[in-house]
Amino acid sequence: GAVVSQHPSWVICKSGTSVKIECRSLDFQATTMFWYRQFPKQSLMLMATSNEGSKATYEQGVEKDKFLINHASLTLSTLTVTSAHPEDSSFYICSAGSSGPQYFGPGTRLLVL
Amino acid sequence: GEDVEQSLFLSVREGDSSVINCTYTDSSSTYLYWYKQEPGAGLQLLTYIFSNMDMKQDQRLTVLLNKKDKHLSLRIADTQTGDSAIYFCAEVAGGYNKLIFGAGTRLAVHP
Repeated sequence: GAVVSQHPSWVICKSGTSVKIECRSLDFQATTMFWYRQFPKQSLMLMATSNEGSKATYEQGVEKDKFLINHASLTLSTLTVTSAHPEDSSFYICSAGSSGPQYFGPGTRLLVL
Repeated sequence: GEDVEQSLFLSVREGDSSVINCTYTDSSSTYLYWYKQEPGAGLQLLTYIFSNMDMKQDQRLTVLLNKKDKHLSLRIADTQTGDSAIYFCAEVAGGYNKLIFGAGTRLAVHP
């Protein structure tokens, strides 16, 4: 149990386009999901906390208009990177868990050309 | 503020025990976690411990928690080459189950 999936696993896009990443909890309901960003050889940086049915809470320094988060159901949260630029290239990981352990998705690698 | 620190690198011989250490700052953390990350993959929950426990054992894994010193350790018995990965320690902070991660310890297992 406690499986979290992400789609796509890999995406390459042109600069200026928008990219949507999905995070799904497959066998449990998650009122809270989290979005992280990880640079090579670094730890995870929390970007935002996504709460079902309400606005996401963004960490300091994360642009909410740049990284749009929608948590429309108890099993799905989406992260949209708007007008992506090469500096947005990174590994994006989501997790789900309202209380107790958080379970992580396999990550989405974004490359912006 | 909250902070989690780990040593960055550990090298062990196959079959030996590995001990990865972590210190944290938030004494109100209810859970403390160990996650494993293999190259190019997400994080796999290895184990976790409640703050009211001193020790938890799960097969080859032993977690020790010293609340007084805010020190957490993960011991892997009979380390195998498949255990080579980055291990992250994390504490819970904030009302929304927010995790604060250490920088990760890269474990290298050699024959």
